[in-house]
Amino acid sequence: GAVVSQHPSRVICKSGTSVKIECRSLDFQATTMFWYRQFPKQSLMLMATSNEGSKATYEQGVEKDKFLINHASLTLSTLTVTSAHPEDSSFYICSARVSGGRQGRGMNTEAFFGQGTRLTVV
Amino acid sequence: LAKTTQPISMDSYEGQEVNITCSHNNIATNDYITWYQQFPSQGPRFIIQGYKTKVTNEVASLFIPADRKSSTLSLPRVSLSDTAVYYCLVELSGGYQKVTFGTGTKLQVIP
Repeated sequence: GAVVSQHPSRVICKSGTSVKIECRSLDFQATTMFWYRQFPKQSLMLMATSNEGSKATYEQGVEKDKFLINHASLTLSTLTVTSAHPEDSSFYICSARVSGGRQGRGMNTEAFFGQGTRLTVV
Repeated sequence: LAKTTQPISMDSYEGQEVNITCSHNNIATNDYITWYQQFPSQGPRFIIQGYKTKVTNEVASLFIPADRKSSTLSLPRVSLSDTAVYYCLVELSGGYQKVTFGTGTKLQVIP
């Protein structure tokens, strides 16, 4: 099946520094990827939609200048948390869709998720 | 996007069948119902998807009544490794639509 890989899986950074998280689609091309943030014991919150070759679309309340998204190729999207603060500590997850039609999987597109990145800002 | 409502948590003993029901009263004609599973510190994983009636795959069954305003995920003979959060989503068909998650159901399987 399709695989989405995130790197790093875990990162600790100092307050005020920037951290880049990579999201790769390993065996398919993803013109659109999605970035989520998840706090402990909470659901995933969609942050932004990453579009290859164009600007990302951010959800309401998400600061685009703080969470920089770059989707320069069909297999790679990056999320950079700039000037990180302890409140940015969270679990960040990326996702990409693959066209559907596979038997037993329904006829709609299927979303694949990366393994997530645990960010801790100290 | 149609909002979904699921129980916050459920407990089940090993070996039992677990049914998790999700309400989606505002589902639209072109919407599909998808269930994802998430283990701690991992990204969600697709379980099953359906549009109407019943869908079955190697891990679960999905029951959708005629009015499609609810759906039930059925996990046969759960094991401890099925302890996870299960999310019910309603998604517009086709294209590359964004996936918006509800609260999910925390399933705890008890030995």
